[in-house]
Amino acid sequence: DSGVTQTPKHLITATGQRVTLRCSPRSGDLSVYWYQQSLDQGLQFLIQYYNGEERAKGNILERFSAQQFPDLHSELNLSSLELGDSALYFCASSPQRGSNYGYTFGSGTRLTVV
Amino acid sequence: AQSVTQLGSHVSVSEGALVLLRCNYSSSVPPYLFWYVQYPNQGLQLLLKYTSAATLVKGINGFEAEFKKSETSFHLTKPSAHMSDAAEYFCAVSLSGGYNKLIFGAGTRLAVHP
Repeated sequence: DSGVTQTPKHLITATGQRVTLRCSPRSGDLSVYWYQQSLDQGLQFLIQYYNGEERAKGNILERFSAQQFPDLHSELNLSSLELGDSALYFCASSPQRGSNYGYTFGSGTRLTVV
Repeated sequence: AQSVTQLGSHVSVSEGALVLLRCNYSSSVPPYLFWYVQYPNQGLQLLLKYTSAATLVKGINGFEAEFKKSETSFHLTKPSAHMSDAAEYFCAVSLSGGYNKLIFGAGTRLAVHP
């Protein structure tokens, strides 16, 4: 157990639907990062939050949004889902605002859009 | 912008043989470098990291990597492969300081044969 908790582990939904992925960072970590892992694109950085504030954005679609709550857990919202959104979504956390010491990853949420 | 190139998407070795996974980075300033391992159906686990201290870095499970600035490389090695080393390995780069994110390579899948 890495200390980063992601729920649900698996999610199957239809095109056009909206889903919410949840992440609880490791105790004491202030930064949360979201990554998408797919066969054709590899590990793509989506977005970073630090202590409740958005701090960096990567290749995140406009249909996707995220937030970090006062208790530091984070949610990634995916809407108007398309088949191509099927992927593994990872959350990671770190104690600081940057990545100097590496991240701790959760076990991921596997999203299948049918 | 920084980037990482992993040479060889698939590497196959015999049990007991040397493991060598190649990683080259591109960065305009001294980077922080990381190797992560991903076992099937699991999240990414940090193997080792280089953060501008010793150029030879030792990690978990007998792995080590050497930072070579002149070659812009950070290859991962293990003297003797074990069946349990079969997994996907990711090299990642980050700049020090600030809200820097990890940029991952495409990954190398390591197969270990008896």
